Amino acid sequence: EAEVAQSPRYKITEKSQAVAFWCDPISGHATLYWYRQILGQGPELLVQFQDESVVDDSQLPKDRFSAERLKGVDSTLKIQPAELGDSAMYLCASSLVRDGAPSYEQYFGPGTRLTVT
Amino acid sequence: KQEVTQIPAALSVPEGENLVLNCSFTDSAIYNLQWFRQDPGKGLTSLLLIQSSQREQTSGRLNASLDKSSGRSTLYIAASQPGDSATYLCAVSPLNQAGTALIFGKGTTLSVSS
Repeated sequence: EAEVAQSPRYKITEKSQAVAFWCDPISGHATLYWYRQILGQGPELLVQFQDESVVDDSQLPKDRFSAERLKGVDSTLKIQPAELGDSAMYLCASSLVRDGAPSYEQYFGPGTRLTVT
Repeated sequence: KQEVTQIPAALSVPEGENLVLNCSFTDSAIYNLQWFRQDPGKGLTSLLLIQSSQREQTSGRLNASLDKSSGRSTLYIAASQPGDSATYLCAVSPLNQAGTALIFGKGTTLSVSS
């Protein structure tokens, strides 16, 4: 069964350092999402891509976060510099979107647990 | 702004019991509603997707209903098992936003004892 791949699974970094996360969506899924989940809360969107284009990055803290999906397949999310409040689970998801509407399920990867010390 | 609420926040039941998890949302303008399961420290597993035009979906011991006009959904779990212990998240995809991202509730943490 096809799955969304993420790496690393765990990352510990010091405050002010740079950190990067990688996501490979299910083959054929043009839509890719990055969510952040703080412990005890539901995931919240950081950025959505349709192919290589950004559809929604309204909640991405652009002073320190960046995301790219250069070839419209895999994606990288970067934080520089990391802050204590960035400690969270970073989840990647992918889906098929038909005619601009989410007709299909979103499939999530295992996530990257980030701890900033 | 769309808000999703899940009640109760936590639930403990003995094995074999039937149970209902509740989800409410403030804006009925949605594409669909999706229920997920999350085990501690893990990613999300999709359980059921209900399109806005549908009333319910079933998968095995799970049945999810959607009443879009009242902004409510329920997830019914029949004959609960210890393996059902996890956090269950409800999410909606709003019509009135730039993209197609999901808006999540905080989840209901279920514990089933043997």
